[in-house]
Amino acid sequence: GAVVSQHPSRVICKSGTSVKIECRSLDFQATTMFWYRQFPKQSLMLMATSNEGSKATYEQGVEKDKFLINHASLTLSTLTVTSAHPEDSSFYICSATWGGGYGYTFGSGTRLTVV
Amino acid sequence: DAKTTQPPSMDCAEGRAANLPCNHSTISGNEYVYWYRQIHSQGPQYIIHGLKNNETNEMASLIITEDRKSSTLILPHATLRDTAVYYCIVLSSGSARQLTFGSGTQLTVLP
Repeated sequence: GAVVSQHPSRVICKSGTSVKIECRSLDFQATTMFWYRQFPKQSLMLMATSNEGSKATYEQGVEKDKFLINHASLTLSTLTVTSAHPEDSSFYICSATWGGGYGYTFGSGTRLTVV
Repeated sequence: DAKTTQPPSMDCAEGRAANLPCNHSTISGNEYVYWYRQIHSQGPQYIIHGLKNNETNEMASLIITEDRKSSTLILPHATLRDTAVYYCIVLSSGSARQLTFGSGTQLTVLP
């Protein structure tokens, strides 16, 4: 139980284009989802917290107009990287809480490469 | 949330027990200790969590000291597939707050 599906697993895009990453909770309702970013040889850094039906809360230094998060349903959150640049190349990971906040499940991650 | 301290790396022979330590000296009474691991280029995987009693599941055992200021994750019979970065995280459970990842311990299981 408590499975989170993240797609795509890998994406290569041209500089200046936008990329959407989806995160779905398959067997539970995810009121809260988190988006992380991980650069090579570094730990996961929280980008934003999204609650279903409300605006996401972004961490300091994360541009909300560049990383658009939508959490319109209890099973789907999306992260759109707008006007992507090579420095946005990273590993993006979503996570969702379940069991009233006692459990945390992660997606398999999306490797974004901007060329 | 309390900060944690872990050694940056450890080696373990295949088939032997891997004991990964974590210090969390500022942990408060309502904070749980969570362990996750991340195999290269994958999302983190839940291993185990506990409050003050020792816990065991099919993956590992968690030993928490009586004063709760440190804990040890034990993989009883490490395999090559257990090579990963292991993260010890302290969090008030039920709060639905984010998991904050430190630098973790890179465990390398050697053949």
